[in-house]
Amino acid sequence: NAGVTQTPKFQVLKTGQSMTLQCAQDMNHNSMYWYRQDPGMGLRLIYYSASEGTTDKGEVPNGYNVSRLNKREFSLRLESAAPSQTSVYFCASSPFTGASNQPQHFGDGTRLSIL
Amino acid sequence: SQQGEEDPQALSIQEGENATMNCSYKTSINNLQWYRQNSGRGLVHLILIRSNEREKHSGRLRVTLDTSKKSSSLLITASRAADTASYFCATAPFGNNRLAFGKGNQVVVIP
Repeated sequence: NAGVTQTPKFQVLKTGQSMTLQCAQDMNHNSMYWYRQDPGMGLRLIYYSASEGTTDKGEVPNGYNVSRLNKREFSLRLESAAPSQTSVYFCASSPFTGASNQPQHFGDGTRLSIL
Repeated sequence: SQQGEEDPQALSIQEGENATMNCSYKTSINNLQWYRQNSGRGLVHLILIRSNEREKHSGRLRVTLDTSKKSSSLLITASRAADTASYFCATAPFGNNRLAFGKGNQVVVIP
């Protein structure tokens, strides 16, 4: 029962470097989400994909891009990392398209530090 | 913007006691959800209460929802050391497919 798998678990980058955070789910869920969690801020939605082939901006999309590669995989890319993007990033999924009245299933996060 | 706001922010209790935490929100909602996060892990869904429900139980958890006051409470009865975690409420506003998470309540249960 893998659920939602995120890689890598930890990463340190230098300012200006780029990287892609990977997320895969094995629950045949339609919707997937990327959040960031900062101390005292709760979770903030970066991007989400209501279904395969669609992506939409969340609350804090600047500096990020996403790709819904297929139904299972949803990646988050930082093109030019900045110290303000130091955070813990969580990927989540939910079963149905475009409905918020359902639980979300979370991965264990990627802890990203940008120097 | 953050919709849910939990209160209190941190709670320390003895094992066996009850723990209560509250969440307030600003706009009309479709439902409200509570999640738990253990240290270093992702969030785990606990319970979902719809806007037309007033109370819901799941094991040792009891959630209430007062839409007139735009608030919810989560009660954990007979707490255990394993309940030590952060607890988040998340609201689903009407007409919006996204969840808005609160800042979280840290609960420490002392054995």
